[in-house]
Amino acid sequence: QQQVKQSPQSLIVQKGGISIINCAYENTAFDYFPWYQQFPGKGPALLIAIRPDVSEKKEGRFTISFNKSAKQFSLHIMDSQPGDSATYFCAASIGTSGSRLTFGEGTQLTVNP
Amino acid sequence: DVKVTQSSRYLVKRTGEKVFLECVQDMDHENMFWYRQDPGLGLRLIYFSYDVKMKEKGDIPEGYSVSREKKERFSLILESASTNQTSMYLCASNPGRPQHFGDGTRLSIL
Repeated sequence: QQQVKQSPQSLIVQKGGISIINCAYENTAFDYFPWYQQFPGKGPALLIAIRPDVSEKKEGRFTISFNKSAKQFSLHIMDSQPGDSATYFCAASIGTSGSRLTFGEGTQLTVNP
Repeated sequence: DVKVTQSSRYLVKRTGEKVFLECVQDMDHENMFWYRQDPGLGLRLIYFSYDVKMKEKGDIPEGYSVSREKKERFSLILESASTNQTSMYLCASNPGRPQHFGDGTRLSIL
């Protein structure tokens, strides 16, 4: 059973546009929500992460919005660039010890020039 | 920089073979993980380890086993490879948060 649901499966955006990827979770014990970015031939790399005590976190063009009551969080990529074309995964974990991650299904983002 | 190294980028094996996938990390991390990545399914946890000689089943352990004899090395073993184990396999390590991933082994079982 997928505990973290991610949508859309694929997304095409024009250069300069806003990319939005959404995730929903079921387990209210999750307390850490990272986003990973994966380029072809590479492993996933941490992009940005949030804890449920804040509603938004911004790092450069990347923003996580978090809605605890709805059990949803989303990644917004402002001014999307062709270099942002990659697969994005949301994830969730409980506690710091070990921190096993539960991943969403992934979103293939293509930014057209 | 944390480095997680997977010994093979591509591997082709035959049905019924015993397959070993190796992973080494250079940061003295206690926690290590094995995932498989399939299109539309994301990353699914196979096994993880919190310490030497310690292992825990993840979400999809069937058909796999692991070995961790040294802190820096975590091996995934396919006891008798089957075609449905054709996939991308990713190793990760961390001291807490976040996880650092290797670049994966694309395994094909013929």
